[in-house]
Amino acid sequence: GAGVSQSPSNKVTEKGKDVELRCDPISGHTALYWYRQSLGQGLEFLIYFQGNSAPDKSGLPSDRFSAERTGGSVSTLTIQRTQQEDSAVYLCASSLAVAGVRYEQYFGPGTRLTVT
Amino acid sequence: AQKITQTQPGMFVQEKEAVTLDCTYDTSDPSYGLFWYKQPSSGEMIFLIYQGSYDQQNATEGRYSLNFQKARKSANLVISASQLGDSAMYFCAMRSTGTASKLTFGTGTRLQVTL
Repeated sequence: GAGVSQSPSNKVTEKGKDVELRCDPISGHTALYWYRQSLGQGLEFLIYFQGNSAPDKSGLPSDRFSAERTGGSVSTLTIQRTQQEDSAVYLCASSLAVAGVRYEQYFGPGTRLTVT
Repeated sequence: AQKITQTQPGMFVQEKEAVTLDCTYDTSDPSYGLFWYKQPSSGEMIFLIYQGSYDQQNATEGRYSLNFQKARKSANLVISASQLGDSAMYFCAMRSTGTASKLTFGTGTRLQVTL
């Protein structure tokens, strides 16, 4: 079946502009996650969604970042008033469930964001 | 707080040889899971192997095995019979019941397989 898809694959924006990044999880996966990977670094957790529960926003670096998940499927990560330090690859992942530690997360190809 | 440490920023291995990528972790949760992911130059994260904290045996998946030493809090990845296609970044990650569902990642090891 289809994997996690993300769009756009690349985004170049000017400092101060807003951007929206989209994620389509694997069908049937109830949990969805956003991570950020800065150049040469590991992945930094941003936010996760599980069903209709309130999302865990504990990883969002500032109030310029927000995310929503509509209908328990597609998610959009929005960055307002982008700054140069927001330049990174934004990775989305999904998994079958949240409860327990076993379920691996399947990642999309990422969106490379460059703020000029 | 959880932490994953990967002390090898880069490793070289000859084709067909075995290589061990180091990973140590820190958590106060009794129940946790350890994951290894591969990230080739294309950028996508590929799940390789999982080890649960209560698993009695070391995990194996084809040419990948996990050397889990719970008392030392280490979860090293062993790749046997290296292939050129194994050249990539490798990330160790952890999830525990105390941190909901998020994965905590190490900084990664870049593996280069040579002829």
